[in-house]
Amino acid sequence: SQKIEQNSEALNIQEGKTATLTCNYTNYSPAYLQWYRQDPGRGPVFLLLIRENEKEKRKERLKVTFDTTLKQSLFHITASQPADSATYLCALGVYSSASKIIFGSGTRLSIRP
Amino acid sequence: EPEVTQTPSHQVTQMGQEVILRCVPISNHLYFYWYRQILGQKVEFLVSFYNNEISEKSEIFDDQFSVERPDGSNFTLKIRSTKLEDSAMYFCASPTDKLNYGYTFGSGTRLTVV
Repeated sequence: SQKIEQNSEALNIQEGKTATLTCNYTNYSPAYLQWYRQDPGRGPVFLLLIRENEKEKRKERLKVTFDTTLKQSLFHITASQPADSATYLCALGVYSSASKIIFGSGTRLSIRP
Repeated sequence: EPEVTQTPSHQVTQMGQEVILRCVPISNHLYFYWYRQILGQKVEFLVSFYNNEISEKSEIFDDQFSVERPDGSNFTLKIRSTKLEDSAMYFCASPTDKLNYGYTFGSGTRLTVV
């Protein structure tokens, strides 16, 4: 069966450290993978997209990698801050056009001062 | 930054009643989506709408659900006879202008069925 799994329900790290979140998938062949941030009671907010032929993408303190052999994406936040505390969702897009995206269950990240 | 606007922000309804959730997506887009999120669970795909027709729907989107674009700008999700398990946040979404910008989600409608 198809699955999208994010490494843990919750991750708690010290301010200033790098947070690394994992997204693994099975029985999908995604054309691209997206990462979103979700705050309580709010809609997901897009952060980064990486395509199947790309290894790495960066945006400010964020970095995403995509390994289609391992069927895994890693999402890094460097120099983490308490304001980065939120739930982070990975989402797969199967086709290259604007088709639906399928979400993982998310990882709740807490950054302690 | 383009926005997706949803109304109402919170809707309480009695079981068996019909509800209509409204969305104003990013203009000039042909693709629109509805997702839902039951409290504490993941965001689930309901339906995609392309060029005024349903292009794909999930098994959740049964005969109780329908989508319409009544006037060319608004986009509605109707639940005909609500059940307790329909209680959730409902989000509509549009792709942004360039695919690298991902999807823009509305702030959601919290539906509570009592």
